[in-house]
Amino acid sequence: QVQLRESGPGLVKPSETLSLTCTVSGGSISGYYWSWIRQPPGKRLEYIGYIYYLGTTKYNPSLNGRVTISVDRSKNQFSLNVTSVTAADTAIYFCARINGGSFDSWGQGTLIVVSS
Amino acid sequence: EIVLTQSPGTLSLSPGERATLSCRASQSVSNNYLAWYQRTPGQPPRLLISDAFTRATGVPDRFSGSGSGTDFTLTISRLEPEDFAVYFCQQYGSSPYTFGQGTKLEI
Repeated sequence: QVQLRESGPGLVKPSETLSLTCTVSGGSISGYYWSWIRQPPGKRLEYIGYIYYLGTTKYNPSLNGRVTISVDRSKNQFSLNVTSVTAADTAIYFCARINGGSFDSWGQGTLIVVSS
Repeated sequence: EIVLTQSPGTLSLSPGERATLSCRASQSVSNNYLAWYQRTPGQPPRLLISDAFTRATGVPDRFSGSGSGTDFTLTISRLEPEDFAVYFCQQYGSSPYTFGQGTKLEI
């Protein structure tokens, strides 16, 4: 069964870039769409965007062009960058696999705090 | 974007009882592309239902999904102790994908 694991810094300063990596194990990254989702404290889940294993991306307009998702098939990983972060970007960030539109496998999530 | 509203916010039931959770969309969900997930502490979200009524692999048949258009329901026929968790819905019929705020099912 495929497993996903997020890795990242935990703490990011305001105005800097948040960078996270999702490592996929137990299966290939090929053939699927992969996504990032986040949940700010006390709020509902928010879809950030997805990437196809060949590199096609689509992002949620709510993030105002600050998001980039990339894929590294040689490492079975995909990554998220969010630029110019503010306290509003503090959240638990999840990576997930998309299968037909729903998310059939998720990472445990990693808490990212934006603070100086 | 489509806003999903779940009700009730909290549902208090006992093991063996039937649970009915609602997810209402602000506009019709295309092709009934709606999923349900379960979230328990310390665990990643688990996909239960996709396409409104299709159970995911390994999901017990006490879980069932129904509905269409703007009104969807997750039913748990007889609650087991491990079913007490948070449940949320998600639509993928329109971009951007959106999620409901969740229903907490408590003992």
